[in-house]
Amino acid sequence: SAVISQKPSRDICQRGTSLTIQCQVDSQVTMMFWYRQQPGQSLTLIATANQGSEATYESGFVIDKFPISRPNLTFSTLTVSNMSPEDSSIYLCSVVAQNGYTFGSGTRLTVV
Amino acid sequence: AQSVTQPDIHITVSEGASLELRCNYSYGATPYLFWYVQSPGQGLQLLLKYFSGDTLVQGIKGFEAEFKRSQSSFNLRKPSVHWSDAAEYFCAVPDSWGKLQFGAGTQVVVTP
Repeated sequence: SAVISQKPSRDICQRGTSLTIQCQVDSQVTMMFWYRQQPGQSLTLIATANQGSEATYESGFVIDKFPISRPNLTFSTLTVSNMSPEDSSIYLCSVVAQNGYTFGSGTRLTVV
Repeated sequence: AQSVTQPDIHITVSEGASLELRCNYSYGATPYLFWYVQSPGQGLQLLLKYFSGDTLVQGIKGFEAEFKRSQSSFNLRKPSVHWSDAAEYFCAVPDSWGKLQFGAGTQVVVTP
């Protein structure tokens, strides 16, 4: 199955700043997803990252707040922009591999 | 639309006792079904999955799950829990676009 390297693993950021999270996959994958997990909650899909086109966002998420890049079939970034304490969450990327869905280890973001 | 329900938010079980976590789904066709575990401060780990065939699926760490079409269920079981099984457990089903939808999760606490 695919292996994902996600970084940073954690960060503490000032409100109003932005953080870019990276996910590198060890094989080419068509579908890559970004999730948010708020404290004590389940995972919520933010968007599907498409190679060569704009990401597709779920209801409640917008490109200005969560811009995504997908320059090739092995890499994607998610930026959390103009952060507020409400953005404190774990952010995870995921890909569809041969035997199912694989997840990155997550980025634990704290906004102060 | 597809949905996943985990009725139990929190379960407490004694070490050595059996464990069953419930998962119900709403889906028009035979779904793909997944169980993931998230230990404190850790990422998501795939426990097991059902695609087709034998409805009793064996996973890692001694877990198994049974797909019951008549009940729209995919309950997770373990005959004898260990203290290390204390974690959050998520049931998940992909929608028709391949986007994984998660249940709310069940927090498992293991007591001595």
